[in-house]
Amino acid sequence: EAGVAQSPRYKIIEKRQSVAFWCNPISGHATLYWYQQILGQGPKLLIQFQNNGVVDDSQLPKDRFSAERLKGVDSTLKIQPAKLEDSAVYLCASSAGSIGNTIYFGEGSWLTVV
Amino acid sequence: GESVGLHLPTLSVQEGDNSIINCAYSNSASDYFIWYKQESGKGPQFIIDIRSNMDKRQGQRVTVLLNKTVKHLSLQIAATQPGDSAVYFCAEKTNQGGKLIFGQGTELSVKP
Repeated sequence: EAGVAQSPRYKIIEKRQSVAFWCNPISGHATLYWYQQILGQGPKLLIQFQNNGVVDDSQLPKDRFSAERLKGVDSTLKIQPAKLEDSAVYLCASSAGSIGNTIYFGEGSWLTVV
Repeated sequence: GESVGLHLPTLSVQEGDNSIINCAYSNSASDYFIWYKQESGKGPQFIIDIRSNMDKRQGQRVTVLLNKTVKHLSLQIAATQPGDSAVYFCAEKTNQGGKLIFGQGTELSVKP
């Protein structure tokens, strides 16, 4: 079974530029998550989708971050404009359901803002 | 707010010894708890989970213990191997929507 796929793996941009990350969850997984992991810290949830609907985006900085999952499968996370403090690993994860189902993570997209 | 934290940021053990990684949580209403292993440059990898109505669960070389009285979770790794070197996170899953809350992590270093 293929895992959670993410791209690009690495990205370096200047502050105020924009960047987009793509995620393809495990086939059949209805729930998709985007997490931000700053170096030395645990991942922090940015947004959670159930199919193509948003379940939780309470910690998403909506003035600069946006995410969509239009067809309930792939998802894109965008940052515009980027700030230095956005340098982090952006992890996509998926699960078959919400409660009680294992959450599987992708390898992450590493963003450096200079 | 809710938080899941770890007692020790680093743990160094000798190869072949048993490792114990501890975690404290604050939300007594959480449905269950998960341990993840994260190797350098990789995403978190599921190790084992335990529901709030259980005290102990065993996997292959790993055991998770849950003490709800003191809100404490631990991960025991038997016969620790060099391949176990990684950062270990405990995570708390809420019973509303399945949101995971991670702690800071413990870095396990295995000495040959």
